[in-house]
Amino acid sequence: KAGVTQTPRYLIKTRGQQVTLSCSPISGHRSVSWYQQTPGQGLQFLFEYFSETQRNKGNFPGRFSGRQFSNSRSEMNVSTLELGDSALYLCASTPGDSGNYGYTFGSGTRLTVV
Amino acid sequence: DAKTTQPNSMESNEEEPVHLPCNHSTISGTDYIHWYRQLPSQGPEYVIHGLTSNVNNRMASLAIAEDRKSSTLILHRATLRDAAVYYCAPGTGGGNKLTFGTGTQLKVEL
Repeated sequence: KAGVTQTPRYLIKTRGQQVTLSCSPISGHRSVSWYQQTPGQGLQFLFEYFSETQRNKGNFPGRFSGRQFSNSRSEMNVSTLELGDSALYLCASTPGDSGNYGYTFGSGTRLTVV
Repeated sequence: DAKTTQPNSMESNEEEPVHLPCNHSTISGTDYIHWYRQLPSQGPEYVIHGLTSNVNNRMASLAIAEDRKSSTLILHRATLRDAAVYYCAPGTGGGNKLTFGTGTQLKVEL
């Protein structure tokens, strides 16, 4: 079956711009989580959506937002981009909401802010 | 959030067992302990997860301490393809939120 698909794979943006990243989870998975990965901070949790509701949010500024659609696809948006937002953004999906399922990660979107 | 610590790197010889430790001293009683591995330019790959008792699957075994403050990922026979960064990631506060450790770079030599 198809894995988690993230688009685009690579993105270059200028400071002050905004960006939208997309994630298509595995069919049947209702939970989608987003993580930011940087060399300095490692893998950090951004937010998680389950059945179109944001259930958890990490310690990121309000410039980072997301949403989930009825087909479980998710998008995350970063407004007013800063150089420090350059990172690999990873999406992960899982079937349920109890934490008792493994996550399947996508290959990520590499965002570079110049 | 659970505070997670792992050694920065470990080395192993091929065909030998590898024990990768993780400390998660602030984990709550209902949070699962997950392990993932990551190769360069790829997203993390699920390895195994468990709650209280030891777990086995085709990739690895997970040994969880009785007090759940630490766990050990066991690769029974390391191969060159197992060279990767291994992340311990306890759940946090129920639901689907993982707190990743800094990862252990595993090097496997012939």
